[in-house]
Amino acid sequence: ETGVTQTPRHLVMGMTNKKSLKCEQHLGHNAMYWYKQSAKKPLELMFVYSLEERVENNSVPSRFSPECPNSSHLFLHLHTLQPEDSALYLCASSQDLGIGRTDTQYFGPGTRLTVL
Amino acid sequence: GESVGLHLPTLSVQEGDNSIINCAYSNSASDYFIWYKQESGKGPQFIIDIRSNMDKRQGQRVTVLLNKTVKHLSLQIAATQPGDSAVYFCAENNQAGTALIFGKGTTLSVSS
Repeated sequence: ETGVTQTPRHLVMGMTNKKSLKCEQHLGHNAMYWYKQSAKKPLELMFVYSLEERVENNSVPSRFSPECPNSSHLFLHLHTLQPEDSALYLCASSQDLGIGRTDTQYFGPGTRLTVL
Repeated sequence: GESVGLHLPTLSVQEGDNSIINCAYSNSASDYFIWYKQESGKGPQFIIDIRSNMDKRQGQRVTVLLNKTVKHLSLQIAATQPGDSAVYFCAENNQAGTALIFGKGTTLSVSS
């Protein structure tokens, strides 16, 4: 266990559904991330939150909406997704060292999302 | 643009051999590099990291080498075991220092 949990582990949804992915970290970190992992492609960074503020939005379509209510929790709200959005969605956390310094990121197990 | 790549998509070794997985990066300003291991059905797991002020760092059975001159990163696994079979990713920090950029991954297969 890495100290980062994600729920649900598997999700099947239709294109008209609204669902949310949840991530929780128990490591005392102050930065959290959403990544998308598709087959045969590198991990794609989606969003970065540091001290509960969004510091990076990597040109992600608006049908993905992140929420970070506190430094331990991160959500990804999904609505009107497309079949090509099917992928493994990974959450990670780290300690933001400030002044543009990144530190080790610890990943959760991911949510396997299938959009029908 | 920023990108991190790996030389080989797959690597097959015999149990007990030493494995070397290579990675080339493009951003000469990157100052932090990480290797992750991802087993089937799991998220990436941290293996070892190195900052740009070092050339080599050793962990338990793993060594990371950084050659900034040619922008090359490698992971050496000593006495490879079947449990080492997984996909290995290298990553570097982005120019803003806010996140990591990942390579495509090398699938390591260890046969007994």
